[in-house]
Amino acid sequence: GAVVSQHPSRVICKSGTSVKIECRSLDFQATTMFWYRQFPKQSLMLMATSNEGSKATYEQGVEKDKFLINHASLTLSTLTVTSAHPEDSSFYICSASPQGVAYEQYFGPGTRLTVT
Amino acid sequence: AQSVTQLDSQVPVFEEAPVELRCNYSSSVSVYLFWYVQYPNQGLQLLLKYLSGSTLVESINGFEAEFNKSQTSFHLRKPSVHISDTAEYFCAVSDGHAGNMLTFGGGTRLMVKP
Repeated sequence: GAVVSQHPSRVICKSGTSVKIECRSLDFQATTMFWYRQFPKQSLMLMATSNEGSKATYEQGVEKDKFLINHASLTLSTLTVTSAHPEDSSFYICSASPQGVAYEQYFGPGTRLTVT
Repeated sequence: AQSVTQLDSQVPVFEEAPVELRCNYSSSVSVYLFWYVQYPNQGLQLLLKYLSGSTLVESINGFEAEFNKSQTSFHLRKPSVHISDTAEYFCAVSDGHAGNMLTFGGGTRLMVKP
């Protein structure tokens, strides 16, 4: 149980285009989902926290107009990187917290974004 | 505010040797503590966690960690490592509030050599 999927696993896009990454909780409902960014050989950096049906809370320094997050249902959150640039190339990981559980996060397998 | 420090960025060790990956945290409130493992190009997998009760927690693949409140530590140990344990290990802390937010340490790369 507690499986989180991400799609796509890898994506290559051209500079200036937008890319959408999906995060789904497959066997549980997630009140809260988190989006992280990870640079090579570095730790995870929290980008934003999203709660179903409300606006995402972005961490300091993360551009909310560039990284659009939508949490439309209890099993799906999406991250859209708008007008992507090469510096947006990174590994993006989502996680989901089950409804009613105060301390658990289950992580997706990650999405490798390369902007050319 | 919370913070997590993993003192070693890399730990090389020979196969079948014991290993300890160090983790120290700071927090003004009670915390939950976690160790996650990340294999190349994959997401994070929960290795073990401390929520309450016994301060020694174990995983199914031989790792264990001990919560030491006085030293604010949660070091990860394994008495005999395998090549397949080669991975990145992250220590994380949560106070169970603030939307279950996790604060991660910088990670420790465990490199098991034959």
